[in-house]
Formats: sequence, C-alpha cells, structure tokens
Amino acid sequence: EIVLTQSPGTLSLSPGERATLSCRASQSVSSSYLAWYQQKPGQAPRLLIYGASSRATGIPDRFSGSGSGTDFTLTISRLEPEDFAVYYCQQYGSSPTFGGGTKVEIK
Amino acid sequence: QVQLVQSGAEVKKPGASVKVSCKASGYTFTSYGISWVRQAPGQGLEWMGWISAYNGNTNYAQKLQGRVTMTTDTSTSTAYMELRSLRSDDTAVYYCARCLWSGPSDYWGQGTLVTVSS
Repeated sequence: EIVLTQSPGTLSLSPGERATLSCRASQSVSSSYLAWYQQKPGQAPRLLIYGASSRATGIPDRFSGSGSGTDFTLTISRLEPEDFAVYYCQQYGSSPTFGGGTKVEIK
Repeated sequence: QVQLVQSGAEVKKPGASVKVSCKASGYTFTSYGISWVRQAPGQGLEWMGWISAYNGNTNYAQKLQGRVTMTTDTSTSTAYMELRSLRSDDTAVYYCARCLWSGPSDYWGQGTLVTVSS
C-alpha cells in the first residue's frame, strides 16, 4: 500500500497569502494518479486537482498542483476566506489511499 | 446535473450489519464506477473500495475484505455498500463518490452517518 504523508499538519495563514501544501508518497505514484480534495466542516470532499496538475471543473485558477513520482504540491496563490478548510491528497492507482490531511486555518 | 443522494443515518449494535444506498442521477450510471470512502469522527478519509456500475467488478480495501460487499442496481441507478460484523470503530460518515477505475472521485454524496453502539 502506498502511504501518503502530508505536511504540515496545520498551516496558519492570513487571507491574501500564499499556501503551499506537500504530499509525499512512500513509493512512486503511477502516471501521476494524484488528486487533491478540499473538505469543509460538515461537507463532503470536493475534487480540486487530478492527474497531479489538472484543475477539476469549476475550480478557480488560484489553485494549482505540481509534482511527480513521490513528491507533490498543492499551491493556493492568494487565500480567499472560503479557502480555509482541510485538504487531502489521494493516489488513485490500483489500491487508492489518502493522506492524513492539512488544515489551513486563519492566522 | 450529477447528483448522488445517500440514505439516512443509521444506529447499529456491535455485530450487526448496515447497508447504505447511493442513488445516482444526471449521468449514465453504467459509464462510471462508485467508490466508497469513510471518515471516522474528527479523522481523515479512508478508501473502502470501488465497484464498476458497468459489470459489477469490485476492488475492496484489504482491511475490509470479508466484511464489506458493494453492489449496484442498474435499473434504479443505485449503489449499495453493506458492512457486516460492525464494531465501534466502524462509526463514521460513509460517502459514495462517482469515479472511473484508476480515476479521481469527481462527485460525492452527502454522506451517511453510521453509529455503532451498544
């Protein structure tokens, strides 16, 4: 099983700042089968990024994904108030797994 | 528009079984699969498994093998997830999501809270 480790656990930032979230895999993620999801309290996760760097439908361009192999990054260029949430990475190869999540909170 | 609507909250005793439904609309049901993901209170997301709505092929998380069964009813565009021999640590919100095999989950149900308590 591929273990995904997300860091940091919590990111304290102000609106307008840049957020950089990391997701490291225990082994190479095939064909960049890496997604990022946003989850707000009491809501289902929402797909942001798939294929490591492709934005899902309707996702603002302040969200971007990068990386390959074992190291992946989600960047939010300028935090809006609605972006404060928990973010999960997922590898969706043959046995999908999720990372433990990064909480982006208001500083 | 794509929608996945799940059944309501359940309270079960340890050792019992639960069956959660997920009714899909707004797309061709058999062109996608359904994945099931759960989230224990205050915890992260756990992938449980996937079923093809086209041919019923399944892939279950190893830790749940033998306790979980996923099925679909193409006549009603509904997916089901049954979990048996429930334990207290099965208490969680259970989500269904649309996805292709080896694909991301692009639409999610609203979640179903399953509480296991004596």
